[in-house]
Amino acid sequence: EVQLLESGGGLVRPGGSLRLSCSPSGFSFSDFAMSWVRQAPGKGLEWVSTISGIQTTTYYADSVKGRFTISRDNIRHTLYLHMDSLRNEDTAIYYCAKGQGFSSTWYWDSWGQGTLVTVSS
Amino acid sequence: EIVMTQSPATLSVSPGERVTLSCRASETINNFLAWYRQKPGQAPRLLIYGASTRATGIPARVSGSGSGTEFTLTISSLQSEDFGVYYCQQYNGWPRTFGQGTKVEIK
Repeated sequence: EVQLLESGGGLVRPGGSLRLSCSPSGFSFSDFAMSWVRQAPGKGLEWVSTISGIQTTTYYADSVKGRFTISRDNIRHTLYLHMDSLRNEDTAIYYCAKGQGFSSTWYWDSWGQGTLVTVSS
Repeated sequence: EIVMTQSPATLSVSPGERVTLSCRASETINNFLAWYRQKPGQAPRLLIYGASTRATGIPARVSGSGSGTEFTLTISSLQSEDFGVYYCQQYNGWPRTFGQGTKVEIK
């Protein structure tokens, strides 16, 4: 059974930094693209970032480009999202999601339960 | 950016009724379309990918159709577990984008 466990969320002041982690199990981690998707309180879903499997090509939403960095450790089986220069509008539940598909056309077939990031002074 | 537009915003439905949700893309997405359902306090769950392929464990009463820019999710006979917010999402281009969601609630 695929499981994705996010951690690292919390309260941070505007301009601060935070690193989220996602620990997967139940599949061969390095074989799959992984993503972060967020959901602001009471709002819809917003894609944040994706990293491919072996080649580790990265993709970012314009709203986080230059501030967030996605990375993965295929040895330790962990996905990361390093977030700098956080803004109030980054407040959201951040979901880790496993990609499925081919040739960069990945949909998300498994999701974690999310970790809450609150940016507030 | 490919804009995804869902309609209606809210549907009030009785159990056993047929439900049709619509999703429109601002440009063709080559059927790289997924549908997800999200219940309160839970993560989204994949229902359909490739516009019409059911994900593992999704019952046959849930079906997806469409091509190009117009897509539909149909639930033939709504059950209690089908209530929630439904999102369509394109994975043809970057950035990945979602529709704003359709809330299916009990009448």
